[in-house]
Formats: sequence, structure tokens, C-alpha cells
Amino acid sequence: RKEVEQDPGPFNVPEGATVAFNCTYSNSASQSFFWYRQDCRKEPKLLMSVYSSGNEDGRFTAQLNRASQYISLLIRDSKLSDSATYLCVVNPGTASKLTFGTGTRLQVTL
Amino acid sequence: GAVVSQHPSRVICKSGTSVKIECRSLDFQATTMFWYRQFPKQSLMLMATSNEGSKATYEQGVEKDKFLINHASLTLSTLTVTSAHPEDSSFYICSAMGTGGSSYNEQFFGPGTRLTVL
Repeated sequence: RKEVEQDPGPFNVPEGATVAFNCTYSNSASQSFFWYRQDCRKEPKLLMSVYSSGNEDGRFTAQLNRASQYISLLIRDSKLSDSATYLCVVNPGTASKLTFGTGTRLQVTL
Repeated sequence: GAVVSQHPSRVICKSGTSVKIECRSLDFQATTMFWYRQFPKQSLMLMATSNEGSKATYEQGVEKDKFLINHASLTLSTLTVTSAHPEDSSFYICSAMGTGGSSYNEQFFGPGTRLTVL
């Protein structure tokens, strides 16, 4: 089983749609969780951290379910500029290492 | 956020040559830097953790004699791919860990180096 699993997509949605991505992780001792965004042939950029109580940043909402070892990202009112690959990232708790999922590709269309 | 640079951004080399990639934290000191590799349509895979003034810690399956890491200062880490072969062609990305304030423990990524070995 992969340490961090994501549906690779692609998710093709029209502008204005709401889209949700899910991610599961295998290490129950994992300490912290993130969503990163990666554009084609570029480095990943931190989108948001994920907190146990859930958190929101504008159109983006992240949630964590420790019991199910599951993380989600909800994007409301999708924009063309949201088209990218969204990486679920977990810190397994050892020396600040990050474990990356393979990413979910989102394509927002007119 | 903090800025991390990588040089070169792209390199094409012949099989058997060595390639050095530099990773610099431009506006902060980083005692810890990380080197990742990403093959097409795959996730970033951590290769090694680079600590200033000490030997790098390599992940399982990564050959330390092939991927030489030197973290000689608090703002510079280098990765040398020795005797590169076509299967080493990949996107190499470094990150530097923030050490204080709101960026504590956050990893800031460099723009990556695309290596093509002919």
C-alpha cells in the first residue's frame, strides 16, 4: 500500500463548479498534513496546511479525519487558473520529511 | 515566503558525465535542505536530507556514491549526479526548511532542475 494515495484524475470541471479531492495515508502516526499545488513542469507550492478542526482559505476548504486517515480538499467556484495538479502531502513525523502523493490533476474549462 | 533558487534550471549531458546542481536559500539560513526527484507522472520522491556541516542522510534505494550531496554552508547545498546515465534523467527539486517565525519547519521549494542524459 502506498504511503499516500490519491485518485490521479484528471478531473475536468467547468468554471464555477465545486470539486473535491480525497487522499488517504497509511501511517497513523503522521503528524501534519498539507495540500500543495504543482503546475506543469514547475515546483510544488504550498496551498494550505490541513488542521484537525478543518480549515478554510477563500474558496479552498481542507479537512482531516484522523480516525479514517483521510484528507480532503474542496474547491468552490473553480477558476481556469485552478487548473493544476494537487498534491496531498503528509509529514510522517520523522525529521520533518514530507511524503507526497502522486497528485490529482484538475482541468477547469470554459 | 522565503526564496530558494536552483541552478541550472535545465541541463543536457552525455552519458557518463557528472552534473552538479546547486540549491540556494536566498533570504534565510537553512540548516536542513532536502533533495527530491520526480519522474513524469509520478510523485516527488525524497532522495536525501542534507544537513549543514554533516553527512547527508539518504533514503533507502538511493546510492550515496552516485548522488553526492554537499551542504557546506547555511545557504547552499549541492547535488552531484556522478556518471549520469539516461535512467537518471528526471526533474530534481530541492527544498530548504524554514527555521523561525511563521515559516518554522515549512519547506520552501526551488524551481527544479530538469536533467536529460543522452
